[in-house]
Amino acid sequence: DGGITQSPKYLFRKEGQNVTLSCEQNLNHDAMYWYRQDPGQGLRLIYYSQIVNDFQKGDIAEGYSVSREKKESFPLTVTSAQKNPTAFYLCASSIRTATNYGYTFGSGTRLTVV
Amino acid sequence: GIQVEQSPPDLILQEGANSTLRCNFSDSVNNLQWFHQNPWGQLINLFYIPSGTKQNGRLSATTVATERYSLLYISSSQTTDSGVYFCAVVGWGKLQFGAGTQVVVTP
Repeated sequence: DGGITQSPKYLFRKEGQNVTLSCEQNLNHDAMYWYRQDPGQGLRLIYYSQIVNDFQKGDIAEGYSVSREKKESFPLTVTSAQKNPTAFYLCASSIRTATNYGYTFGSGTRLTVV
Repeated sequence: GIQVEQSPPDLILQEGANSTLRCNFSDSVNNLQWFHQNPWGQLINLFYIPSGTKQNGRLSATTVATERYSLLYISSSQTTDSGVYFCAVVGWGKLQFGAGTQVVVTP
């Protein structure tokens, strides 16, 4: 079945460390996105990529970095510059046709700073 | 950017009840979607509904684009309907989310 796979589901990071969250899709979607969700809040866009080798900052990009070397993969690195990284991270991909603009989300990664 | 406001923020329903969730947006959009996030965090796309009305089982949605709002109807609610319902609109190629409505359906 086609879908988006995020790994790991749970991640613990020590302060000052960089960590990388994986996101892989086999839907052949061109666009991919990373969102952050804090408890009781909606999703906020970190980075997005509409094509391979190109990506754009979202609303809260500071302290994060991404790469898009392959269509299927869009890893997110949470750097030590991100002061409050504990959150739920969701990856998504999208396809746009004449009658639909569908987004598919992964199951998320819960990152905790210890 | 586009502002997306959802109401009510919280909703407690008894199983079998009907309810309406509302989404207001600040600017004209040509794309609006409703999502359901289950208690485990998984987001499921319910409707792509830039205008008009759509139905899927016990759920239906209506968007009145000219008046900048959308409604999600849940009929004969079940405990599996619990979770957070998000409205999201596309602005500048990016999906912008509202804060969501937390729905709890009690047996």
